[in-house]
Amino acid sequence: DTAVSQTPKYLVTQMGNDKSIKCEQNLGHDTMYWYKQDSKKFLKIMFSYNNKELIINETVPNRFSPKSPDKAHLNLHINSLELGDSAVYFCASSRTQGTTGNTIYFGEGSWLTVV
Amino acid sequence: EDQVTQSPEALRLQEGESSSLNCSYTVSGLRGLFWYRQDPGKGPEFLFTLYSAGEEKEKERLKATLTKKESFLHITAPKPEDSATYLCAVAYSGAGSYQLTFGKGTKLSVIP
Repeated sequence: DTAVSQTPKYLVTQMGNDKSIKCEQNLGHDTMYWYKQDSKKFLKIMFSYNNKELIINETVPNRFSPKSPDKAHLNLHINSLELGDSAVYFCASSRTQGTTGNTIYFGEGSWLTVV
Repeated sequence: EDQVTQSPEALRLQEGESSSLNCSYTVSGLRGLFWYRQDPGKGPEFLFTLYSAGEEKEKERLKATLTKKESFLHITAPKPEDSATYLCAVAYSGAGSYQLTFGKGTKLSVIP
């Protein structure tokens, strides 16, 4: 069974559209994340949720809105998509936050292309 | 200034030719240094966590070591299936809540 799964894997859409990426983890973890990997393959954190509460909100446009209906799910909604939003978005989870021995596990990624 | 720097950016090895990848960091209050492997079209796959200088961890042909300012990933007698991008990341005090700050990775190619 896939531990962290995200859908869709590939998404091609036009500028100005609104799209969502869904993420689910079956590890029983309390903390979930969204990371963005740009064209230079650099991974940077966007958001972190712990038990459905937002705990990290890095400097990203407010067109990006995460939503956590429960601690096993963290979805990413993007409004008014722009060309520069094209990237790979990775969902991840960890048992908890801020604890030694806490490993972050990543999903397979969602390839977003804005045309 | 990058907080995590990996070198080299790319490395080509012949099968069986051992080498090391470097990850240097400038953060203080290190809470953990992580190594991940990323294959094309996949998410990062966890390899090791190191917490204190002098610590070492091994897995098959890989061995990770940590000093106060850098970590090395030693690859002994690599095989073509070891070809991937190896990512280093740190968790540190002052980074806000628990998160990983990644380097840009080293792309390893092992030629048969």
